[in-house]
This record gives sequence, structure tokens and C-alpha cells, in this order.
Amino acid sequence: SQQGEEDPQALSIQEGENATMNCSYKTSINNLQWYRQNSGRGLVHLILIRSNEREKHSGRLRVTLDTSKKSSSLLITASRAADTASYFCATDDRGNQFYFGTGTSLTVIP
Amino acid sequence: DSGVTQTPKHLITATGQRVTLRCSPRSGDLSVYWYQQSLDQGLQFLIQYYNGEERAKGNILERFSAQQFPDLHSELNLSSLELGDSALYFCASSESGTRQAGNTIYFGEGSWLTVV
Repeated sequence: SQQGEEDPQALSIQEGENATMNCSYKTSINNLQWYRQNSGRGLVHLILIRSNEREKHSGRLRVTLDTSKKSSSLLITASRAADTASYFCATDDRGNQFYFGTGTSLTVIP
Repeated sequence: DSGVTQTPKHLITATGQRVTLRCSPRSGDLSVYWYQQSLDQGLQFLIQYYNGEERAKGNILERFSAQQFPDLHSELNLSSLELGDSALYFCASSESGTRQAGNTIYFGEGSWLTVV
């Protein structure tokens, strides 16, 4: 199935540092999205990057997409304790389904 | 607030029972998705409806069923519940059910189901 895999599974950093997490997927995609989930809450959409884009910024977030490697990265700069959450990538295939990765659990230590 | 409403927020029930989870999509969204999230299985796509019709099916068990009503709200019915069905069930909605660049899905806060 077209399921992304995030790497690392868990990441712990100090406040102010940058956090980078990666996502790999299997087949051709239309676009790739990143979502954030606070513990026990719903997923919140962060950013979308289209398959013909290579890089996108939104505030402290920077997303890159390499379709030749079927991978994406999410960079959170100047991390804050409030960034502590799980982060998921989601891809949509050429049908109607969205596939979510296994998630990266980020802990930002104050 | 995503605009997607799910009820109930928490539910505890016994094995063998049946429950119904309800979802109201964002205003104007025609597509509704159901996902199951458990610790060992991650976020699993169950089923999608678009404007009242089933559009895509994922890892949904035969004991589970869903429907989308004319007013676009959706219900997920879980029957003959087992301990392993304990999970967080999410509903999500999007404007379109077709492949479009930039089709974002918005999640509700989920329904916590505990089967004891």
C-alpha cells in the first residue's frame, strides 16, 4: 500500500534547536502533506507541497520534496516546547485515498 | 477548530456490543473519511464517502459499516466489539472526493472507544 514512513520514530531536542524529520513513500503522488497531532487530539494540517514543487516554507516550517527519491523532509526551526507532538506525512495516490505514515514523535525540552 | 465535529468524545462499552460514532463534516465538504488510530497499528484508513456514496475502502472490518446521509453527516457503526477494537476513531472531511492538487483533509478531535 502507499504508506509513508517517517524517520526517526522519536526525536528529542532542546528548545531553540532545529528538528528535522523525514518521510519516504512508495509510489507516484499528487501531493504530500504534513500534519501534527498533539497527544490524544486530532491531526492538524501544517503544510502541503505539490509534486512539482521542491521546497515550501510556512513560518518556522520548511518542507522539501524529492520525487526522484520519493522522500520529503520537514524542518522546524527554533523549536519551542509547544512544538512537542507527533508529526505525520500524508500522501494521496492517483485515486482518492490519503495514506499516513507512522509518525515521528517530537519532544522539545524547555 | 477544524470544523469537523465528532460525537461522542469518549465511549466505554463491553465486548460483543455495538456502538455508533457520529461525524459532522466541515460546512461545504462533500467527502468524509474514517480512520482508526491504535498504538500498534498507527493511523489506518477505514472508508471514504463522497456526497452520500462510498468512494474508497481501506482496512475496514466486516463488523464495521458506515454511511453518509443526505445532510452529509456520517456514522460509523462498530458491532460485535472486541478488545482489539479499542482505539481512537477519527473522522475527516474534505471539499472534494476527486484527485485534486491541494485537496486537504481536516480532522475532528476523534472518538475514544474503550472495549472492556
